Amino acid sequence: GQNIDQPTEMTATEGAIVQINCTYQTSGFNGLFWYQQHAGEAPTFLSYNVLDGLEEKGRFSSFLSRSKGYSYLLLKELQMKDSASYLCAVTASGGSYIPTFGRGTSLIVHP
Amino acid sequence: DGGITQSPKYLFRKEGQNVTLSCEQNLNHDAMYWYRQDPGQGLRLIYYSQIVNDFQKGDIAEGYSVSREKKESFPLTVTSAQKNPTAFYLCATIDLAGSNTGELFFGEGSRLTVL
Repeated sequence: GQNIDQPTEMTATEGAIVQINCTYQTSGFNGLFWYQQHAGEAPTFLSYNVLDGLEEKGRFSSFLSRSKGYSYLLLKELQMKDSASYLCAVTASGGSYIPTFGRGTSLIVHP
Repeated sequence: DGGITQSPKYLFRKEGQNVTLSCEQNLNHDAMYWYRQDPGQGLRLIYYSQIVNDFQKGDIAEGYSVSREKKESFPLTVTSAQKNPTAFYLCATIDLAGSNTGELFFGEGSRLTVL
């Protein structure tokens, strides 16, 4: 089975930096994804990590450590529109392409 | 424009009724998925299909049924056997042939409420 854990809720101030952690235990590993979901909308893809290290994409970066079963999403220069739920998802190995999601972290950005 | 269309966006159902949610895609993606999302929860997999005329149960398939007669279409039926069907339903696809990441593309979702 697979277990993915992330904090339920976080708050941060506009302009600040926030780090959202995700830990996972899976039977095999084929990649980790971060999605952003605004209330009442569908998730949108943010990042993908399959090798250890940091992937940077504008204000957002994602880090992966496979040996520790750990990832984080780093959001810099926070804006009010970043208030959303952030979902961590893992795909197990074997070519099945069946992503399993954590419960999501609700991020509230305040002025 | 290519995309995934889910309909209806909002649906109300009386207890004991079956209801079918439509999911159509013109992205030419092989794999299609149905997820359910409850308030404050992540996405849970109901069914998935990676090829026409074949589909597999996900983690919470009880009370649901699907079909995959065409590559473009993957409808989900919520049956009366599903005891707590009120939820937000998301259809998604993956481009198995072209993608090297397995990124999910989502429809806009269907919100089902049982009265």
